[in-house]
Amino acid sequence: NAGVTQTPKFRVLKTGQSMTLLCAQDMNHEYMYWYRQDPGMGLRLIHYSVGEGTTAKGEVPDGYNVSRLKKQNFLLGLESAAPSQTSVYFCASSPDRLHYEQYFGPGTRLTVT
Amino acid sequence: AQSVAQPEDQVNVAEGNPLTVKCTYSVSGNPYLFWYVQYPNRGLQFLLKYITGDNLVKGSYGFEAEFNKSQTSFHLKKPSALVSDSALYFCAVRDLLTGGGNKLTFGTGTQLKVEL
Repeated sequence: NAGVTQTPKFRVLKTGQSMTLLCAQDMNHEYMYWYRQDPGMGLRLIHYSVGEGTTAKGEVPDGYNVSRLKKQNFLLGLESAAPSQTSVYFCASSPDRLHYEQYFGPGTRLTVT
Repeated sequence: AQSVAQPEDQVNVAEGNPLTVKCTYSVSGNPYLFWYVQYPNRGLQFLLKYITGDNLVKGSYGFEAEFNKSQTSFHLKKPSALVSDSALYFCAVRDLLTGGGNKLTFGTGTQLKVEL
């Protein structure tokens, strides 16, 4: 049981490049989330999904897109990376709407130059 | 919207001494509160939660938290700190998502440093 996994662990992009971050969970959780973590700002919600085939915007969705084609996977895309998207990205999942604690992946450190 | 505040960016404590990491909350309705810990270069790990019931909640690694409704606080405590407790601690509160379901709103984090 691996829990929540994220790939890649590190990535450096040039401004304007695109990339996709993959999150996978093997706990059969309904809910999945993407956060970014910046110093002094805690975690901010980018996008989330309440089930397979559904996605919705969080607090800071601009510049990102997501997809949840399979229940176990939640993809975060950056179509045209900007230096402001330099951050550490965390994926999380929770079982359903009655269980509020979330389980986090190890994170992806992204640098945009 | 619900929110939490962590008034201290850093807390220093000697090993063996009790530790407290502070959190205050602002919610409408009943608060559902959480503590998470983040070790360097790792994801967040769930420590404990308060949903309802006893004001003293026990969690992982010997941590506990005290819910105080009159002071709108949910401070994290441990009777005897260990050097291995040094990490970044986040308080969080459940909030509702407009698209249905729940999210967690996090504080800005408190760096705990336990020294020999």
